[in-house]
Amino acid sequence: RKEVEQDPGPFNVPEGATVAFNCTYSNSASQSFFWYRQDCRKEPKLLMSVYSSGNEDGRFTAQLNRASQYISLLIRDSKLSDSATYLCVAWGQTGANNLFFGTGTRLTVIP
Amino acid sequence: GAVVSQHPSRVICKSGTSVKIECRSLDFQATTMFWYRQFPKQSLMLMATSNEGSKATYEQGVEKDKFLINHASLTLSTLTVTSAHPEDSSFYICSATPSGTYEQYFGPGTRLTVT
Repeated sequence: RKEVEQDPGPFNVPEGATVAFNCTYSNSASQSFFWYRQDCRKEPKLLMSVYSSGNEDGRFTAQLNRASQYISLLIRDSKLSDSATYLCVAWGQTGANNLFFGTGTRLTVIP
Repeated sequence: GAVVSQHPSRVICKSGTSVKIECRSLDFQATTMFWYRQFPKQSLMLMATSNEGSKATYEQGVEKDKFLINHASLTLSTLTVTSAHPEDSSFYICSATPSGTYEQYFGPGTRLTVT
């Protein structure tokens, strides 16, 4: 079983749609969680950290559910520029062995 | 802020040669830097964690004698692919974490092609 699992997609949504991604993690020692976006043949870029209380940044909302060990990312009013692969990351406090990336969820926003 | 550079961005080398890739945090100090490899249409794979002033921690299955990592300062880590082979051709990406945080900032990557 993978440490971090994501639905690879692809998710094809029309402009303006709301889309949600979930990511589950297996290591209960994970303490820090992040969402990154990666464009084709580019490096990942930090999108947002995920806090226990949930956090919002413009059209993006991230949620953490420790009991069920999943994190989510909600994108409202999708733009064409949101097309990318979204990676979730779970990181424990006890060293590199607790750092895990999901395989990414591919999103394509269609005009 | 939080800019990470990598050099070179692209390199083509012959089988059997060694290639050094540099990763620099330009505007922050990074106690920890990470090295990843990504094959086409696959996810990032963590290769090793580099801590300034100490030996790198390698992930299972990554040969430490083949992928030499040096983290001599708080702003520079290097990865040397020794005796490169065509199967080492990949996209190598580093990331750096500002001291006291868990956020990673990635370099633009180095595309290595071994012929």
